[in-house]
Amino acid sequence: DADVTQTPRNRITKTGKRIMLECSQTKGHDRMYWYRQDPGLGLRLIYYSFDVKDINKGEISDGYSVSRQAQAKFSLSLESAIPNQTALYFCATSETSGTPYNTGELFFGEGSRLTVL
Amino acid sequence: KQEVTQIPAALSVPEGENLVLNCSFTDSAIYNLQWFRQDPGKGLTSLLLIQSSQREQTSGRLNASLDKSSGRSTLYIAASQPGDSATYLCAVGGYYGGSQGNLIFGKGTKLSVKP
Repeated sequence: DADVTQTPRNRITKTGKRIMLECSQTKGHDRMYWYRQDPGLGLRLIYYSFDVKDINKGEISDGYSVSRQAQAKFSLSLESAIPNQTALYFCATSETSGTPYNTGELFFGEGSRLTVL
Repeated sequence: KQEVTQIPAALSVPEGENLVLNCSFTDSAIYNLQWFRQDPGKGLTSLLLIQSSQREQTSGRLNASLDKSSGRSTLYIAASQPGDSATYLCAVGGYYGGSQGNLIFGKGTKLSVKP
């Protein structure tokens, strides 16, 4: 089994629908991240969490929300999906390091491809 | 604002060649630099992590170097194989965009190794 598991792997939905992408990890890492990947734009950080009680916005958090249900689980929600949220979404984890500015080595899930019509 | 550039965007080489992938960044205030591999439709696989205090890291046929002062990193792949075909991404870590622990990614170099 993969260390970082994302569900669903593919999802097609309509504008205005609520969508949740889920991530679970067996690596025992405290830090978890959500990124999106768009052709020509690369990967960009949406939200990150350094532990269960610590959640922070990334560069492009508008239109998204997250929930850290446990150390191993980090969910990303789109409350009302819109077409420009069509992208490949990645969850990642890393160990806690000596400074919050040092991510350490990131481990990624396989990605969730979301299409909003 | 930190920007990461990878040149070339695509590279095709015959099997067995040694090759170098380049990554440059505009702000030398980084905490680490990481190289990833991405296969089509797949997630990112971590290849090498270089902390800001280090100059290089090696793993098997891969060697990554870091020159913070010039804002450059290179990924050297020895004796390339068709299985090395993938997109290679570099990312620098630091305090960017108001986010602690943010990685800024390049757009990648798509490598094709022909048998």
